Amino acid sequence: AQKVTQAQTEISVVEKEDVTLDCVYETRDTTYYLFWYKQPPSGELVFLIRRNSFDEQNEISGRYSWNFQKSTSSFNFTITASQVVDSAVYFCALSEAYNNNDMRFGAGTRLTVKP
Amino acid sequence: DADVTQTPRNRITKTGKRIMLECSQTKGHDRMYWYRQDPGLGLRLIYYSFDVKDINKGEISDGYSVSRQAQAKFSLSLESAIPNQTALYFCATSATETFEPQHFGDGTRLSIL
Repeated sequence: AQKVTQAQTEISVVEKEDVTLDCVYETRDTTYYLFWYKQPPSGELVFLIRRNSFDEQNEISGRYSWNFQKSTSSFNFTITASQVVDSAVYFCALSEAYNNNDMRFGAGTRLTVKP
Repeated sequence: DADVTQTPRNRITKTGKRIMLECSQTKGHDRMYWYRQDPGLGLRLIYYSFDVKDINKGEISDGYSVSRQAQAKFSLSLESAIPNQTALYFCATSATETFEPQHFGDGTRLSIL
């Protein structure tokens, strides 16, 4: 069965620091998708990115970047020059091809960015 | 207006009561999901539905039931609520195409005393 591990329960940084949120996954499938979601203090879940298992290119979107490495089964998320508004809980999730409706979430990493 | 609407947003009730959480969507998606979120555990899937006639159990379906009244409506029921069902509940939708991102409602915070 698929599994997602976010070993960092909480991270605290000062504004303008760079921060990386780790995500390690386990799957027996060769076709799968990885996702990141953001949950700000208001509680809603916001989709950030989707990456399929055949596309290992890193992706950058503004201050956000994602590093997908199949060799280490990791899909890490980096925020550059963090801002207070980045404070949130971030979830990594995995869906497998044969069971793509059962999205497994990691436990989440709570990021606090201090001014 | 929100694309995925959950009602109520907050609910406090007593052990043994039957509770219904409702979800409606205007995104036109066929697939709908119910999750619960607990501190330190992330989100866990309770039930999901591909369409009105297709309902499936998720990882933690015991103690819950669902009803897909229409393409746009998916309700979650707690038959006899117990305190360890206290959690934040999310409804989500996704398009039929494989691996489309799920879109979440704002959540229902449920407390069972």
